[in-house]
Amino acid sequence: VQLLESGPGLVKPSQTLSLTCSVSGVSISSGDYYWSWIRQSPEKGLEWIGYIFYTGVTNYSPSLKSRLTMSVDTSQNQFALRLTSVTGADTAVYYCARVKYGSSWYLDYWGQGALVTVSS
Amino acid sequence: DIQLTQSPAFLSASVGDRVTITCRATQGISSYLAWFQQKPGKAPKLLIFAASTLHDGVPSRFSGSGSGTEFTLTISSLQPEDFATYYCQQFNGFPRSFTFGPGTKVDI
Repeated sequence: VQLLESGPGLVKPSQTLSLTCSVSGVSISSGDYYWSWIRQSPEKGLEWIGYIFYTGVTNYSPSLKSRLTMSVDTSQNQFALRLTSVTGADTAVYYCARVKYGSSWYLDYWGQGALVTVSS
Repeated sequence: DIQLTQSPAFLSASVGDRVTITCRATQGISSYLAWFQQKPGKAPKLLIFAASTLHDGVPSRFSGSGSGTEFTLTISSLQPEDFATYYCQQFNGFPRSFTFGPGTKVDI
């Protein structure tokens, strides 16, 4: 299983941050997993952003919900993150990860991470 | 919201030492806790889920215990590759959401 984040490394304040996670080794459509985004910054540490199921069902962090959209493209085996109206507080390393769900929920495989800097 | 704290924040140890890290939750979370290891510039790697179940490929020197509000991660004999930062993570609620602890850095 491999996950790989891609997208711009620099975003201007007030603009939209967009990232894609390409998944290999497992089908997003298998239904056995959710697919998640997590970010990490020195100020906030590790912060869960949200997750999506292959059907498009989502669950977002309440603190980001008003600015956040996640989507899935099963034909490309990818899922994506879109965060609007960004500020410097959104500067972070963004990770995508697989969520194994059931009696216990855990993030078992992660991408390598993508640094996104919000700056003019 | 349930918060996680970890102690100590920083731990200095030597190869061969037995190391214990504690994670506390502000409310009971049953056994819904995982532990991750992160090395500089790398993504976190899952070590343990459901408080005490070792993830695939994780060496048996790692173990986890606890339930409710207090959990521990133990490394029975610290190896050079174990110097890293360790995070606990819980999930709760419906729909499920995740929270991470602030981390414990294990250094030489």
